[in-house]
Amino acid sequence: DAGITQSPRHKVTETGTPVTLRCHQTENHRYMYWYRQDPGHGLRLIHYSYGVKDTDKGEVSDGYSVSRSKTEDFLLTLESATSSQTSVYFCAISPLGGEEKLFFGSGTQLSVL
Amino acid sequence: KNQVEQSPQSLIILEGKNCTLQCNYTVSPFSNLRWYKQDTGRGPVSLTIMTFSENTKSNGRYTATLDADTKQSSLHITASQLSDSASYICVVSPYSNYQLIWGAGTKLIIKP
Repeated sequence: DAGITQSPRHKVTETGTPVTLRCHQTENHRYMYWYRQDPGHGLRLIHYSYGVKDTDKGEVSDGYSVSRSKTEDFLLTLESATSSQTSVYFCAISPLGGEEKLFFGSGTQLSVL
Repeated sequence: KNQVEQSPQSLIILEGKNCTLQCNYTVSPFSNLRWYKQDTGRGPVSLTIMTFSENTKSNGRYTATLDADTKQSSLHITASQLSDSASYICVVSPYSNYQLIWGAGTKLIIKP
């Protein structure tokens, strides 16, 4: 998957607990994205980054925060997980902006009970 | 509201047969329209990208068409193989901002 590793691949947690998902890339791409995918819905952009310490909100950013302290790592944090955040989370990277030339990781299945 | 709708939701065909998947969109104006393939448990992988001025784009046995007047696109798969079993997702890039509009996908199952 184009040098992208998401961890963990699966996680089960309880409502109200903090959760951090990690995306690690070896391609040295500038742009990184977090999406969620729910049954019957298209992918939805949560947050994205256009450089180290440079991030911005996507369509469904409420309840999520991100950090990028190194080019290769982009972290997604759910400060207090809710059942509505049960989803599959995908990280994507790109050498270009504007969600062009996206390469996706294999996803993290998150279940919030 | 910008939307991308795909049909059918799911499709089962026999190996070796052809099939066509449909995508209708309301996004206007748009920069490009993409088709992605998503295997179960994996992230989407790009198949084709067409700008608004292109009518057709091929990638091996996959051929995408675009009719900007009717706001429709289709993905035609020729001589299907078992490895074509996947979800196929239509995605439109609005011209005015960078956030893609993703369809919910068509789940294609190829039976031997």
